Amino acid sequence: AQSVSQHNHHVILSEAASLELGCNYSYGGTVNLFWYVQYPGQHLQLLLKYFSGDPLVKGIKGFEAEFIKSKFSFNLRKPSVQWSDTAEYFCAVKEDSNYQLIWGAGTKLIIKP
Amino acid sequence: SAVISQKPSRDICQRGTSLTIQCQVDSQVTMMFWYRQQPGQSLTLIATANQGSEATYESGFVIDKFPISRPNLTFSTLTVSNMSPEDSSIYLCSGSGVSDTQYFGPGTRLTVL
Repeated sequence: AQSVSQHNHHVILSEAASLELGCNYSYGGTVNLFWYVQYPGQHLQLLLKYFSGDPLVKGIKGFEAEFIKSKFSFNLRKPSVQWSDTAEYFCAVKEDSNYQLIWGAGTKLIIKP
Repeated sequence: SAVISQKPSRDICQRGTSLTIQCQVDSQVTMMFWYRQQPGQSLTLIATANQGSEATYESGFVIDKFPISRPNLTFSTLTVSNMSPEDSSIYLCSGSGVSDTQYFGPGTRLTVL
């Protein structure tokens, strides 16, 4: 069965630090890839997604992610984090033959002011 | 993107009772889903709500415990039946259309005493 791995469960950074959150998946076929964010007390929001084309995708709030097919990875990056980026981040993958999302366990990001 | 609302936003219920959660989407979606999110954990898919027919349940979830209706393309309900404290969780509704991107409601926080 397909799985999605997020390597870090908790990440603590200072403001202005650079961020990279790892996401790897196990499916070998065509996939759609997503990052969602859940701010404290708020609902899940789509941060960015990759379906096809340029493997470097840009999302909201200065986030970007790069799809590396050979590594089965879709890592999330931000060059300079802000205190307001404190949230939980979820990677999700959809196989082309399936309508369901497979979810990673999530990464809790805490930004120290 | 779709805007999804859920009612109630939270509830505290007694053991043995049932609660029905409503999900309304502002535009027609192809697929609607119901998830459960335990505190600090990732999302678990309960079922896919099918318009005009029985929902498709994931392993570990059954219709008698979580009956679901979807009378039209923009509305669905999830009932949590004969509740126990183990059912305390956040219940999330999501919808996706032709873009295959899932959008989420704000969730219903359920506490069972």
